Amino acid sequence: DGGITQSPKYLFRKEGQNVTLSCEQNLNHDAMYWYRQDPGQGLRLIYYSQIVNDFQKGDIAEGYSVSREKKESFPLTVTSAQKNPTAFYLCASSKGGGDEQYFGPGTRLTVT
Amino acid sequence: AQSVTQPDIHITVSEGASLELRCNYSYGATPYLFWYVQSPGQGLQLLLKYFSGDTLVQGIKGFEAEFKRSQSSFNLRKPSVHWSDAAEYFCAARLQGSARQLTFGSGTQLTVLP
Repeated sequence: DGGITQSPKYLFRKEGQNVTLSCEQNLNHDAMYWYRQDPGQGLRLIYYSQIVNDFQKGDIAEGYSVSREKKESFPLTVTSAQKNPTAFYLCASSKGGGDEQYFGPGTRLTVT
Repeated sequence: AQSVTQPDIHITVSEGASLELRCNYSYGATPYLFWYVQSPGQGLQLLLKYFSGDTLVQGIKGFEAEFKRSQSSFNLRKPSVHWSDAAEYFCAARLQGSARQLTFGSGTQLTVLP
């Protein structure tokens, strides 16, 4: 089955630690995205990548980093510089930069 | 600035009743428009999209949406709601011909009463 996988589903970290969230897709999509979702808010774009080895900052990139070394993978690192990292993180992909996006099941990160 | 507004934070309907969820956009030109649904703790699923052409768009799960340029709206409708439709619904938009990404509304939480 084609789709997007995110792991783990739940992640707990201590404050001051970096943590990496995994996102893998087997849809052969060129573009991938990371969103953050907080209660009562829509999705906010963190980073996106339209091709391998290239990515751009979204609206709330501060305190986050990404890499795109392979077409299938777009890991997100939440660094200790992110002031309020506890949130639900969603990864998405699309065939091209302008096409509809397909979403993974999300990772809920809790930092204490 | 470009924005998408969903005026209703929470809507409650009885099972079998009709449903309309509102979405308004503010863009310089007509954007591409989308409706997504999210079940608790899950990712988003695309219900339908509007790029151009017929202003009444059919989607999955019996949903439809109507694009009204004069009102800058893209409201989602369903003639008869099922209990399994209880979820959060997001409207999203992006500029046509642009590599810029989706802008999401803040969502509408739908509760379905038995």
